[in-house]
Amino acid sequence: AQSVTQLGSHVSVSEGALVLLRCNYSSSVPPYLFWYVQYPNQGLQLLLKYTTGATLVKGINGFEAEFKKSETSFHLTKPSAHMSDAAEYFCAVSPMIYNQGGKLIFGQGTELSVKP
Amino acid sequence: GAVVSQHPSRVICKSGTSVKIECRSLDFQATTMFWYRQFPKQSLMLMATSNEGSKATYEQGVEKDKFLINHASLTLSTLTVTSAHPEDSSFYICSARDRRGRGYLSETQYFGPGTRLLVL
Repeated sequence: AQSVTQLGSHVSVSEGALVLLRCNYSSSVPPYLFWYVQYPNQGLQLLLKYTTGATLVKGINGFEAEFKKSETSFHLTKPSAHMSDAAEYFCAVSPMIYNQGGKLIFGQGTELSVKP
Repeated sequence: GAVVSQHPSRVICKSGTSVKIECRSLDFQATTMFWYRQFPKQSLMLMATSNEGSKATYEQGVEKDKFLINHASLTLSTLTVTSAHPEDSSFYICSARDRRGRGYLSETQYFGPGTRLLVL
């Protein structure tokens, strides 16, 4: 069975500091991996995704994530936090097994706060 | 591109009534749409997968007679909460996968803005 674990339900950083949001997954087959961001009372917006190829993936708003198969991790980083980055972040895995229909399995979410 | 809309954005209804939520892909064809439910401060829980022209596939524990899903066209799926009760109050979010030529399905889901349902 596939699962996603996000370490830390809440992360607080100062503006300009490094952002690191952790995500570990378990999957019986090579998965596709995603990071989504959710602002209050809104749907989810795709930040970035890993399917195949280069393991360091760059996304929107200066975020990037690195797929590390040996560590089963897909941590999200941003060198310098901005106040507008404050939101809920979800890591998700899609096993892409033919009979799973491309389902997304979400982690518990990490709320990012950015202090001035 | 890849915009998904939901209507209504917010609905308040009395216990025992039915509520219909629409999910539309505005600029692409979506052969598959997904319905999620999200409680405050929690993650998204997949309720069902909706395929155009066929019956929806419900996740374990989701009552299909309670949550009726219809995917009548490549751009529209509807979720009807029948005989709603206060415990059905939640944030309902849909997503859609676009179809790229020759039936190949994109791996990316695009999410709607969500519908806040409050049952009194």
